[in-house]
Amino acid sequence: EIVMTQTPLSLSATPGQPASISCKSSQSLLHSDGKTYLYWYLQKPGQSPQLLIYEISSRFSGVPDRFSGSGSGTDFTLKISRVEAEDVGVYYCMQAIDGVTFGPGTKVDIK
Amino acid sequence: QVQLVQSGAEVKKPGASVKVSCKASGYTFTRHYIHWVRQAPGQGLEWLGAINPSGGAASYAQKFQGRMTMTRGTSTTTVYLELSTLSSDDTAIYYCAILSSDGTDSWGQGTLVTVSS
Repeated sequence: EIVMTQTPLSLSATPGQPASISCKSSQSLLHSDGKTYLYWYLQKPGQSPQLLIYEISSRFSGVPDRFSGSGSGTDFTLKISRVEAEDVGVYYCMQAIDGVTFGPGTKVDIK
Repeated sequence: QVQLVQSGAEVKKPGASVKVSCKASGYTFTRHYIHWVRQAPGQGLEWLGAINPSGGAASYAQKFQGRMTMTRGTSTTTVYLELSTLSSDDTAIYYCAILSSDGTDSWGQGTLVTVSS
């Protein structure tokens, strides 16, 4: 099973300032089809998770452009260019190259 | 629009089984795999498995093989998750979801399953 790790596990962000979350996988997520099956989800309090980023860096429909993803192979990063109050929640990375596994989550709150 | 609507909360005793439903609408039912993900109280997301509505083939996380069954309804756009031999560790919110498939990502509202004697 592919193990996903995230750092930090909690983050207190300042509105208007950038924030970033790191995600590492125990195996490469690059498929022979050329795609890398790494995703980022946000679960806001009391809600179902919502997709932010798919295949490392593509923003899902309706996701603000302050969210961006980068990385390759086994190392990935989610960046928020300017944190807003509505960005609070738990951020999960997820791999889907071999079954599906989620990272442990990064809880983001506002200072 | 794509919508996944799940059945209501369940309370079960240890050793019992539970069956949760997920009704899909707003798209061609056979187009997307439907996944099941659970979240224990205060914990993270755990993938349980997925079913291909076209044909009904299912794949399960190794941890749940032998104790979990995913099925699809006949002539309905509903999939089911059945989990047997429940213990308190199975207390969780169970979600059905389409996970980033051909531009679609959608989650059900979640079904709380409580296992308590």
